[in-house]
Amino acid sequence: DTAVSQTPKYLVTQMGNDKSIKCEQNLGHDTMYWYKQDSKKFLKIMFSYNNKELIINETVPNRFSPKSPDKAHLNLHINSLELGDSAVYFCASSQAQGPTYEQYFGPGTRLTVT
Amino acid sequence: DAKTTQPTSMDCAEGRAANLPCNHSTISGNEYVYWYRQIHSQGPQYIIHGLKNNETNEMASLIITEDRKSSTLILPHATLRDTAVYYCIVRLFYNQGGKLIFGQGTELSVKP
Repeated sequence: DTAVSQTPKYLVTQMGNDKSIKCEQNLGHDTMYWYKQDSKKFLKIMFSYNNKELIINETVPNRFSPKSPDKAHLNLHINSLELGDSAVYFCASSQAQGPTYEQYFGPGTRLTVT
Repeated sequence: DAKTTQPTSMDCAEGRAANLPCNHSTISGNEYVYWYRQIHSQGPQYIIHGLKNNETNEMASLIITEDRKSSTLILPHATLRDTAVYYCIVRLFYNQGGKLIFGQGTELSVKP
């Protein structure tokens, strides 16, 4: 069984569209994250949720709206897509927020905006 | 948050030990050192972490200097599948939401 799964794996869309990426973890973890990896391969935190509560919002444009319907899911909705949104988006989860808890990453969703 | 410095790239012969250094001279007393790796096109994978003592698990060993200003990740018998970008990360405090701050990492190439 996949611990952290994301759908879709690839997403190609046009500028201005709205799209969602789904993430699910079956590890029973309390904390979930979204990271973005740009074309230069830099990985950067976007959001962190703990028990469905937003903990971190790293100055991400408000076109990006995470939603956590329950502890096992953290979805990412993006409005009015722009070319600069093209990247690989990784979901991750950890048992808790603390520094002793490792994060488990999903396989990533490659978003291409044309 | 403490920053880390790693070499951009390294080569290692298959079957030999790979020693990946990391400098974190501004680390605070209760910040952990974490290592992750990212194999091409995959999500980052946790390897090991430590605070003060040396640590070993089934994947690797982590050697932290006594002053904690640097550390070394050791892959004892590198294989071709260990070719990846390795990230050394200093983990923020609890109230920072647990985020990981990735640097550029070291691109390790294991060669036959």
